[in-house]
Amino acid sequence: GAVVSQHPSWVICKSGTSVKIECRSLDFQATTMFWYRQFPKQSLMLMATSNEGSKATYEQGVEKDKFLINHASLTLSTLTVTSAHPEDSSFYICSASDGGQPQHFGDGTRLSIL
Amino acid sequence: AQSVTQPDIHITVSEGASLELRCNYSYGATPYLFWYVQSPGQGLQLLLKYFSGDTLVQGIKGFEAEFKRSQSSFNLRKPSVHWSDAAEYFCAVGKGSGGGADGLTFGKGTHLIIQP
Repeated sequence: GAVVSQHPSWVICKSGTSVKIECRSLDFQATTMFWYRQFPKQSLMLMATSNEGSKATYEQGVEKDKFLINHASLTLSTLTVTSAHPEDSSFYICSASDGGQPQHFGDGTRLSIL
Repeated sequence: AQSVTQPDIHITVSEGASLELRCNYSYGATPYLFWYVQSPGQGLQLLLKYFSGDTLVQGIKGFEAEFKRSQSSFNLRKPSVHWSDAAEYFCAVGKGSGGGADGLTFGKGTHLIIQP
């Protein structure tokens, strides 16, 4: 149980385009979802927390207009990287919680901006 | 603010030998503590967690960890490693007060190499 699916697993796109990443909880209701970013050979950094039906809470230093988060249902959250540039290239990982710990992580999305 | 320190960036262990990965945390209240493992290009798999109670917790794949409040540590151990244990290991801390979930603070990770 507690499976989180993330899609796509890898995306390559041109600079200036927008990219949407989906995070789904397959077998539980995710009242809270989290988005993390991981640079190569580094740790995960929390970007934002989203609760179903509410606006996301962004961590300090994360541009909310650059990284749009939507959590419209109890099983789906999306992260849209708007007007992506090469410095946005990274590994993005979502996690989901049914209201408590532990969180359950997706397999991540590798984003490469050319 | 909470923080997690994993002092060992790389550790090399012979297959069959014992393993201990160190983790120290800084947190003002009772923390929730986690160990995750990540294979290259993959997401995170939860090995074990500590919320309260018995300070020695058992996890999957033969791993265990001991919470020592006096040392602010939560070290991960395994008595005999297998080649398949080679991966990146992350210690993480989350808020432990009240209900609800909060984002985790991760250590920088320890890269485990298994020698044949």
